[in-house]
Amino acid sequence: DGGITQSPKYLFRKEGQNVTLSCEQNLNHDAMYWYRQDPGQGLRLIYYSQIVNDFQKGDIAEGYSVSREKKESFPLTVTSAQKNPTAFYLCASSVRPYSNQPQHFGDGTRLSIL
Amino acid sequence: DAKTTQPNSMESNEEEPVHLPCNHSTISGTDYIHWYRQLPSQGPEYVIHGLTSNVNNRMASLAIAEDRKSSTLILHRATLRDAAVYYCILRDHTGNQFYFGTGTSLTVIP
Repeated sequence: DGGITQSPKYLFRKEGQNVTLSCEQNLNHDAMYWYRQDPGQGLRLIYYSQIVNDFQKGDIAEGYSVSREKKESFPLTVTSAQKNPTAFYLCASSVRPYSNQPQHFGDGTRLSIL
Repeated sequence: DAKTTQPNSMESNEEEPVHLPCNHSTISGTDYIHWYRQLPSQGPEYVIHGLTSNVNNRMASLAIAEDRKSSTLILHRATLRDAAVYYCILRDHTGNQFYFGTGTSLTVIP
């Protein structure tokens, strides 16, 4: 089955620690996205990538970093500079950027502070 | 940026139709209207999208007002599995971003 796999499902971060969230897709999609969702809120865009080796900041990129070395992978690092990292993180992909194709989402990673 | 407005919550009886409204008065001519739904602790699931004409698929129908300033997602026969938060979203002209609001929490009553 094609889809998006996010891991781990739950993650805990200590103060001053960087943590990396994994996102892998086997849909052969060009575009990938990272969103953050806080309780009772909608999704906010952190970063997106239209093609390998290229990515752009979204609305709330401060304290986060990404890489896109392979088409199928788009990991997100939550750095120690992100002072309020506790949230539900969602990765998504779509066939192409600049298209009106729907986004496909993973099942998310829930990050908490120890 | 164009944004959407939805009621916070709605209820429906099982096996009855549900009409979920969305206002998007600042929509631009090239913005597509997308609907997603989300179950607790899961990622959003695509439901339907459209530009100007009404759209139907196996999950739902999308009715778009003639002036495109509002739209309605129609679930023809609500089931308990349809209980979720429904998001009405505009995709901007670059196609790069989706703008999610807080959505409508749908409760289906047996």
